[in-house]
Amino acid sequence: QSVLTQPPSVSGAPGQRVSISCTGSSSNIGADYDVHWYQQLPGTAPKLLIFGDTNRPSGVPDRFSGSKSGTSASLAITGLQAEDEADYFCQSYDSSLSGSWVFGGGTRLTVL
Amino acid sequence: EVHLVQSGAAVKKPGESLKISCKGFGYRFTSYWIGWVRQMPGKGLEWMGIIYPGDSDTRYSPSFQGQVTISVDKSISTAYLQWSSLKASDTALYYCATADSGGNSGYFDSWGQGTLVTVSS
Repeated sequence: QSVLTQPPSVSGAPGQRVSISCTGSSSNIGADYDVHWYQQLPGTAPKLLIFGDTNRPSGVPDRFSGSKSGTSASLAITGLQAEDEADYFCQSYDSSLSGSWVFGGGTRLTVL
Repeated sequence: EVHLVQSGAAVKKPGESLKISCKGFGYRFTSYWIGWVRQMPGKGLEWMGIIYPGDSDTRYSPSFQGQVTISVDKSISTAYLQWSSLKASDTALYYCATADSGGNSGYFDSWGQGTLVTVSS
């Protein structure tokens, strides 16, 4: 059971917009700790996608965007492409776990 | 460009010890935190802990405290993750990754390729 809750799967057709939620609590996202997102393509290491709630590292397309409100955060992907099919993980900090970083359980994105 | 190279796959028996490594290239090794992440077969990512090579300040997830040891050898820009007595449940893919901060705003910006650890009798 992950501290941050994500839907197990989402899907969308090419060109569509999808959103992946990450729900936490008052000891992590609700305490306004930063949320970060990672993309893990099949058989590869995770890659940083969004940091500090809304920021994209150099090289990440602007089709990917992050937002946060209250105890939840979201990753939005617009103009869905076949190569976006991957697992996506959110990550934050939790003050109730001896100052641990915590990951969401992950969401499998399927491009139909 | 930051590049992390991890040691190769390991196959061990329950009760054996193991130390896997992560060598950093292309950056000042002592200036960035290095963390370890577990991914069990078909499962998600789990934060194990993080170390600052500059002064060996180390922080562990409560789930992994006492189960593993994270260390570094600055002289060869290498971080380590070790077990003194492996269990079958330690079978997983282990990633190392760098971070600017080990604190409450931290995130991993570069990742190693992963080391597969298999523990089986």
